Amino acid sequence: KQEVTQIPAALSVPEGENLVLNCSFTDSAIYNLQWFRQDPGKGLTSLLLIQSSQREQTSGRLNASLDKSSGRSTLYIAASQPGDSATYLCAVSAFGNEKLTFGTGTRLTIIP
Amino acid sequence: NAGVMQNPRHLVRRRGQEARLRCSPMKGHSHVYWYRQLPEEGLKFMVYLQKENIIDESGMPKERFSAEFPKEGPSILRIQQVVRGDSAAYFCASSTTGETQYFGPGTRLLVL
Repeated sequence: KQEVTQIPAALSVPEGENLVLNCSFTDSAIYNLQWFRQDPGKGLTSLLLIQSSQREQTSGRLNASLDKSSGRSTLYIAASQPGDSATYLCAVSAFGNEKLTFGTGTRLTIIP
Repeated sequence: NAGVMQNPRHLVRRRGQEARLRCSPMKGHSHVYWYRQLPEEGLKFMVYLQKENIIDESGMPKERFSAEFPKEGPSILRIQQVVRGDSAAYFCASSTTGETQYFGPGTRLLVL
């Protein structure tokens, strides 16, 4: 059974700093991995999707990497801004099964 | 191009009543997924549907819960005889095969 873990559960960082969020998964036979952000009381916004054959994806100030063999992904946020404050979730899917298994998230607070 | 739409956004029911949650996928998407987020918990997969077919319902409670995605119209998640433990945010997502899942804003169900 796939399990996804995100550490730390909460993180506070001064504005302008670069930061890394971590995601680990127990079963390396994944199809893809997605990073989302969730604002309080809102839905999920897809940030990046990495296919199992890829090593990283970039979008603006965000860069996500994937190391399938070690069961890890990181989300790098450059030059953090207060608007980046949210809960960040990673989720994986398996081959032949498109349901997502989510981690419990990292609640990020950017301090102005 | 409208995103995934869910209604109602908030729903209050008394114990024993029925709850019907609706989801309209993004245009061109034929895959619909339902997830539940219990208070202070992560998102859990419930069911995956394609038009007129349930593909994977491994996350659905065995009783009182049902889902459909008819040929015409939105996908419906139906909860019969609701109990307080059903209070949660219910999210719908849609996708094309193997690609990014796009989430709706969710329906927040409160059972009194």
